[in-house]
Amino acid sequence: DIVMTQSPDSLAVSLGERATINCKSSQSVLNSSNNNNNLGWYQQKPGQPPKLLIYWASIRESGVPDRFSGSGSGTDFTLTISSLQAEDVAVYYCQQYYTTPHTFGQGTNLEI
Amino acid sequence: QVQLQESGPGLVKPSQTLSLTCTVSGGSMSSNNYYWNWIRQPAGKGLEWIGRMSTSGSTNYNPSLKSRVTISVDTSKNQFSLNLSSVAAADTALYYCARGTPTTGLTDYWGQGTLVTVSS
Repeated sequence: DIVMTQSPDSLAVSLGERATINCKSSQSVLNSSNNNNNLGWYQQKPGQPPKLLIYWASIRESGVPDRFSGSGSGTDFTLTISSLQAEDVAVYYCQQYYTTPHTFGQGTNLEI
Repeated sequence: QVQLQESGPGLVKPSQTLSLTCTVSGGSMSSNNYYWNWIRQPAGKGLEWIGRMSTSGSTNYNPSLKSRVTISVDTSKNQFSLNLSSVAAADTALYYCARGTPTTGLTDYWGQGTLVTVSS
């Protein structure tokens, strides 16, 4: 299995400031057939199911605010929230879909 | 708008089989080659991918659960199901069903989840 490791486990950021969450995979998730990284990011608010934010490591899902961005390639990825809003308080997960099982990172708890 | 809803017993005895059903509304399950996933989350913990079945019938299971898991799809009822045998307390979790896209397999629509407790 590909092991996904996120850092930090918990993060406190002031409103309007930048938040950065990292995700590292135990092996490359770069799909050589299309040169895309098989990496997604989810946001989970309390009492809700996860919501897909980003796929192919950097493509925002429809309706996701542009303050959310994803970057990285191979084994190292980053989710950035450029200007933190109160509604962004949540747990964030990365997930690889390069191979099954589609493993998740352990989550990063983002607070104000 | 696609919606998914899990249903099934909230309490299962140890060593028995956990059976859940996910009902899909707002679209036909057979209209595209989607993946139909089960994912679980113990209270206060992270997400564990259990497995999936495609509309075409192919399955993928988490090796950690593979010997105990069966996922099936009934497109005529627009439902898919999870069976997990020989359950133990460690299987207590919130169980989600979710739809995976044909291109990535990532889950774009999720149910609200159903809590299953394993206890005698």
